Amino acid sequence: KAGVTQTPRYLIKTRGQQVTLSCSPISGHRSVSWYQQTPGQGLQFLFEYFSETQRNKGNFPGRFSGRQFSNSRSEMNVSTLELGDSALYLCASTLGGGGTEAFFGQGTRLTVV
Amino acid sequence: AQSVTQLGSHVSVSEGALVLLRCNYSSSVPPYLFWYVQYPNQGLQLLLKYTSAATLVKGINGFEAEFKKSETSFHLTKPSAHMSDAAEYFCAVSAGEGTYKYIFGTGTRLKVLA
Repeated sequence: KAGVTQTPRYLIKTRGQQVTLSCSPISGHRSVSWYQQTPGQGLQFLFEYFSETQRNKGNFPGRFSGRQFSNSRSEMNVSTLELGDSALYLCASTLGGGGTEAFFGQGTRLTVV
Repeated sequence: AQSVTQLGSHVSVSEGALVLLRCNYSSSVPPYLFWYVQYPNQGLQLLLKYTSAATLVKGINGFEAEFKKSETSFHLTKPSAHMSDAAEYFCAVSAGEGTYKYIFGTGTRLKVLA
């Protein structure tokens, strides 16, 4: 069974640009969450989607947005990039039900120059 | 609100020695707890999870963790460290019912010395 797929794996963008990251969850999983990982802040929760609805949002500025499609694939967008947005962005998919674990993709490494 | 504290951002052990990585949690409801491992430039891989079925949880690669409600702890152990165990380890708690949001600890980087 295929795992969580994130594309692209690496990105280099310039300050002020925008970027879109993609995540395809495990087949049958309806929940997708996004996390930002940086050396200084660790793993910070960005958003959670279930059946195309955003259920939770982390404490990030409005430049960070996301969506989920009917096939459960998800995208996140960051507009007006800042140097501090450089991070590893991780997507996780969950089947559902209490206590079920999240399966993580390999992440997208975003570098803002 | 749920939270997780991992004591020790860096831990070094000799190959063959006991591995002990500490995790304490705070939760207003019975928690779901997880340990994940991350290798360089990779995502997170689940080692084990606690969902109230048993207090001693066995995971992959010889790791296990014991849930102690009285101590609000969920420490990760392995009897004998291997060089391949060198990685970063994260403890996480589920944020509550009806959500799959996790709260992660700050991570512990394990170094295994030959």
